Amino acid sequence: SQTIHQWPATLVQPVGSPLSLECTVEGTSNPNLYWYRQAAGRGLQLLFYSVGIGQISSEVPQNLSASRPQDRQFILSSKKLLLSDSGFYLCAWSRDRGRDYGYTFGSGTRLTVV
Amino acid sequence: GQQVMQIPQYQHVQEGEDFTTYCNSSTTLSNIQWYKQRPGGHPVFLIQLVKSGEVKKQKRLTFQFGEAKKNSSLHITATQTTDVGTYFCADRVLGGTSYGKLTFGQGTILTVHP
Repeated sequence: SQTIHQWPATLVQPVGSPLSLECTVEGTSNPNLYWYRQAAGRGLQLLFYSVGIGQISSEVPQNLSASRPQDRQFILSSKKLLLSDSGFYLCAWSRDRGRDYGYTFGSGTRLTVV
Repeated sequence: GQQVMQIPQYQHVQEGEDFTTYCNSSTTLSNIQWYKQRPGGHPVFLIQLVKSGEVKKQKRLTFQFGEAKKNSSLHITATQTTDVGTYFCADRVLGGTSYGKLTFGQGTILTVHP
């Protein structure tokens, strides 16, 4: 069966420090991968998505970047965190070209920038 | 881009009462997915609706897709305390370079009083 791992679960970082959040998927190949941010426990904002190794699409201009060095690995990074980067970060995967599958989300990372 | 409006933002009910959340769009939706997020948790896929006028049931949950594919609803009959959480609808892009991308509504936060 497919599983998605996301870590760390919580993170407190000072303003100006770097960030690296990692997400890995097991049990499937060539998944579509996504990074979402959820602020104040409400709507989910799509940050990045990837349909293959090295292919990254950015949805909003921001202080963050994403990379996909391996088929089932997706990394969210920042060189210098801002206070506004605080939030709940969720990684998700879906099947490539599958019409009948929903997203499977990781358990998320709660980031607090202080 | 596509915007999906979801109402109400909050709903407080007594256990045993019914609950409905609505998802609306000014443009035709590709297909609709529904997710549930428990407090402190991550979104979990519930169902996908594809066809105009489609109705699907999962135990006490009834999902509908409008005839014009511009709205959808989730109805819960006789709510239980386990139904507490945020319910999201999401439109899934089915074509082009953004295939598979989800645009989420803002969600409806459901509170159930025992």
